[in-house]
Amino acid sequence: EVQLVESGGGLVQPGGSLRLSCAASEFTFSSFSMNWVRQAPGKGLEWVSYISSSSGTISYADSVKGRFTISRDNAKDSLYLQMNSLRDEDTAVYYCARDEYCSGGNCYGMDVWGQGTTVTVSS
Amino acid sequence: DIQMTQSPSSLSASVGDRVTITCRASQSISGYLNWYQQKPGKAPKLLIYTASSLQSGVPSRFSGSGSGTDFTLTISSLQPEDFATYYCQQSYSTLHTFGPGTKVDIK
Repeated sequence: EVQLVESGGGLVQPGGSLRLSCAASEFTFSSFSMNWVRQAPGKGLEWVSYISSSSGTISYADSVKGRFTISRDNAKDSLYLQMNSLRDEDTAVYYCARDEYCSGGNCYGMDVWGQGTTVTVSS
Repeated sequence: DIQMTQSPSSLSASVGDRVTITCRASQSISGYLNWYQQKPGKAPKLLIYTASSLQSGVPSRFSGSGSGTDFTLTISSLQPEDFATYYCQQSYSTLHTFGPGTKVDIK
């Protein structure tokens, strides 16, 4: 079964750091662009970051630019999100999601999602 | 950055009703518009990609249309399992912004 499994969430103090991981299985991970999407409690979906299949193109939402870093290891079928200088407003469930297909920066939808990992930023 | 808006923000409907949700982009996104359904405590599910293509396994009562800046999601006959929140999302840019969502609940 095609699957994404996130890990690494937890409770962290404001200003702290956390690294999320997303393990992919049963598909050729290196062929797909990937994303992080988050959802604060009771709020809508917020796209966070994008990385192309070869890591050649990376994008961030303005709300996390300069604080979060997306990366991937195609040899390990894994996606990462390094989160630094965390703020209360970063509290959310974080999902990794696969772009079904991308060409020249235009993509189809995100067709595979993980179950999410919860990040809580609080003192 | 491309901004997405949706209307209405919520609606109440009955089983069997025809439901239409609209989504607007702040600039042309050609046909790179996707629709998701999310139920409480669950990950989003892709329904429609590139404005009008039905994702595999999604019932045919769901359909999408539009291009440029204006798009619609239509549920032709609302079923009990369709009560959920629906999001549009643009993938014209690698900054894949979402709309704010439309909650569909039971009248």
